Amino acid sequence: SQELEQSPQSLIVQEGKNLTINCTSSKTLYGLYWYKQKYGEGLIFLMMLQKGGEEKSHEKITAKLDEKKQQSSLHITASQPSHAGIYLCGADMNYGGSQGNLIFGKGTKLSVKP
Amino acid sequence: DTGVSQNPRHKITKRGQNVTFRCDPISEHNRLYWYRQTLGQGPEFLTYFQNEAQLEKSRLLSDRFSAERPKGSFSTLEIQRTEQGDSAMYLCASVRGHRETQYFGPGTRLLVL
Repeated sequence: SQELEQSPQSLIVQEGKNLTINCTSSKTLYGLYWYKQKYGEGLIFLMMLQKGGEEKSHEKITAKLDEKKQQSSLHITASQPSHAGIYLCGADMNYGGSQGNLIFGKGTKLSVKP
Repeated sequence: DTGVSQNPRHKITKRGQNVTFRCDPISEHNRLYWYRQTLGQGPEFLTYFQNEAQLEKSRLLSDRFSAERPKGSFSTLEIQRTEQGDSAMYLCASVRGHRETQYFGPGTRLLVL
């Protein structure tokens, strides 16, 4: 089973609409990272969350980590075509002697219709 | 902006050939990770280096794969006797320290015919 579940798998929204992507784990997340990827390209870092209840924002994107540190959400306000791409959550699930490698969800493909 | 760079960006090879990819991390980042990503999936961890020492390898890294990071700077990932199942995007990421942000390179897309 997938250790990190992302939902939805894909999303089509009208430009200007808000949207939320979720990332859920059955294990405690010691670091939760959100990345954006365009097809055939590398991952662009968006935000990192480490503390339960933490919330960070950058431009029109807000990411939250719940108090139990098992679920994160990424919210985009007033979406634009430039927001289109694949959003990936990655997590460090190893406590203590972690080598720091990230476990990733399968990604959420976002399309924004002008 | 001296981000993570990877070369080549694309590689097409025939089954059975050897290929080598290079990753140049952000300078002064002492940790370097290799991941593999197939279509519709998130990246999967392959191996990582702390300076020049290779400290962990995943079970995905078969005997045909070898990685090096001489002098703790750039890293190479070699695949010997390539198979069609090796076709994927190979991503490199560098990190300054433990549990800090991993910055990814643009990836090398491998197609094995």
